[in-house]
Amino acid sequence: SAVISQKPSRDICQRGTSLTIQCQVDSQVTMMFWYRQQPGQSLTLIATANQGSEATYESGFVIDKFPISRPNLTFSTLTVSNMSPEDSSIYLCSVGGARVSDTGELFFGEGSRLTVL
Amino acid sequence: GNSVTQMEGPVTLSEEAFLTINCTYTATGYPSLFWYVQYPGEGLQLLLKATKADDKGSNKGFEATYRKETTSFHLEKGSVQVSDSAVYFCALSSYNQGGKLIFGQGTELSVKP
Repeated sequence: SAVISQKPSRDICQRGTSLTIQCQVDSQVTMMFWYRQQPGQSLTLIATANQGSEATYESGFVIDKFPISRPNLTFSTLTVSNMSPEDSSIYLCSVGGARVSDTGELFFGEGSRLTVL
Repeated sequence: GNSVTQMEGPVTLSEEAFLTINCTYTATGYPSLFWYVQYPGEGLQLLLKATKADDKGSNKGFEATYRKETTSFHLEKGSVQVSDSAVYFCALSSYNQGGKLIFGQGTELSVKP
């Protein structure tokens, strides 16, 4: 398993600003992902954070809006840029891979709840 | 592409009632299947899993059997408690998809005393 810490846990942001969310894992992990959970909705994958290279984005998500960094095997950041009220969501970091599980499950952080006014 | 479909909620039950939450999937190959639970105000936790056909995952009185012939992974519990009130997500993972999880829409369960 893995222990995942996300910061901030929640924030209230103004329209047009940007916010960076940090994800710290207590061990080296192969896979890191960023998900979004809009109010009352399921989880949607934003991107796979690749160590040392550009993230791989899912359809509907772009790097200019959600830049991601992953400088090493224990840390990643997600920035939500030029926020609008539609970006109000919970953003979750998740990790997986052979170092933490041999059966494919992902472990999730507590999430970062963003409210955009 | 891969997808997961869950029965819609909310589901409201009385304590000690039998629970079934339906989950079906579409996937190429042989995915692993999971149920995650999100209690009010908390993060997402793995409830149970199954990695191959006919496997039964179980935890905390919940069970689900991986049925390849019906592409299903229904969640069951024989006697629910108020503390089981939460949102339940069915998910699948396929290594040919880079290990990412694809989630169903979630089913909210409310158990009344």
